[in-house]
Amino acid sequence: GNSVTQMEGPVTLSEEAFLTINCTYTATGYPSLFWYVQYPGEGLQLLLKATKADDKGSNKGFEATYRKETTSFHLEKGSVQVSDSAVYFCALRRSGGGADGLTFGKGTHLIIQP
Amino acid sequence: SAVISQKPSRDICQRGTSLTIQCQVDSQVTMMFWYRQQPGQSLTLIATANQGSEATYESGFVIDKFPISRPNLTFSTLTVSNMSPEDSSIYLCSVTLQVHQETQYFGPGTRLLVL
Repeated sequence: GNSVTQMEGPVTLSEEAFLTINCTYTATGYPSLFWYVQYPGEGLQLLLKATKADDKGSNKGFEATYRKETTSFHLEKGSVQVSDSAVYFCALRRSGGGADGLTFGKGTHLIIQP
Repeated sequence: SAVISQKPSRDICQRGTSLTIQCQVDSQVTMMFWYRQQPGQSLTLIATANQGSEATYESGFVIDKFPISRPNLTFSTLTVSNMSPEDSSIYLCSVTLQVHQETQYFGPGTRLLVL
């Protein structure tokens, strides 16, 4: 079946540091890939997405590239801020459109220190 | 995006009782889903709520424990039946919209504690 593996935290960085959160997946075909973010006390929000191989999703300075050859969708940001402290979830939806629910990774708790 | 509301936002219940959670959306919706997020864990898909027919359940979830209704395009309910402390979780409603069918939007969640 489908699965998503992401590095577990907490990950603690200093402000302005470079961020990478690793995410790899197992799925047949060509799934769509997503990063969701959950800020403290808030609901789950879509951060970025990519729907086919070599696509790059980007938002709020975050980027992730859909790498089919390595089945990966790593999240990166060049300079993190304290406000980026949150839990980040990598997720996939199997190929075939919007009819299927998402499979989530376990989440990575990111802590940015001033 | 869409405005998704859930009621109640939180509840404390006694074991053996049932709770019904409502999800209401303000936009034209194609798909509706229910997820569970157990304490410190990731989100797990419970079922897809189908309009006017029985929900489609994921492995490990059954209709007798989690009955779901979806009487129209923008409203659904999830009931957690005969609750035990292991049912303590956040329950989330999620939708895809007619205009953005690739993306799932999540409600604020219902935080349930079973004593």
